Amino acid sequence: DSGVTQTPKHLITATGQRVTLRCSPRSGDLSVYWYQQSLDQGLQFLIHYYNGEERAKGNILERFSAQQFPDLHSELNLSSLELGDSALYFCASSVSGGPTSTDTQYFGPGTRLTVL
Amino acid sequence: GQNIDQPTEMTATEGAIVQINCTYQTSGFNGLFWYQQHAGEAPTFLSYNVLDGLEEKGRFSSFLSRSKGYSYLLLKELQMKDSASYLCASCGFNKFYFGSGTKLNVKP
Repeated sequence: DSGVTQTPKHLITATGQRVTLRCSPRSGDLSVYWYQQSLDQGLQFLIHYYNGEERAKGNILERFSAQQFPDLHSELNLSSLELGDSALYFCASSVSGGPTSTDTQYFGPGTRLTVL
Repeated sequence: GQNIDQPTEMTATEGAIVQINCTYQTSGFNGLFWYQQHAGEAPTFLSYNVLDGLEEKGRFSSFLSRSKGYSYLLLKELQMKDSASYLCASCGFNKFYFGSGTKLNVKP
């Protein structure tokens, strides 16, 4: 158990819908990262938040958005869902998030999203 | 662009040594990571290199050559539980780029 929690574990929805994935970092960690893992694309970095502020943005679609709240938990919002959005979404946390952002990331168990 | 290349699959025998290679081209490079991921589970951190050289951690070691854009993960005394995917990831300008992973099959 990494100490990172993600809810829900599984989510099944239809195309065009909107969902929210939630992540609680390890106690004391200020950074939250979101990743998407699909069979054909491997693990893709989406976005990084540090202490409530966006720090870096990767291959995140405009239909997706995220935020980190004052209590440091984070939510990833996915809208206008398409079949291709079906994937495992991981959240990871780390202690710091300074300019180098190179401290160890601990991954949560993931949320499996299925879009029908 | 950012290119991370690693072999798709490797097979090795229990008790043996295996080396998994990774090449990368990452702008603003500031670190190379290795993760282990068992099927259906989350990745777990194995190692981090930012300077050239070898970092040893028990049965696992990781090497980095920044000038060559090259890293490897060395696993010694292989155990059946080491059967998993091994992900190479580089960090550049605070963004993370993962390879597709190397599936390691350890056979008795």
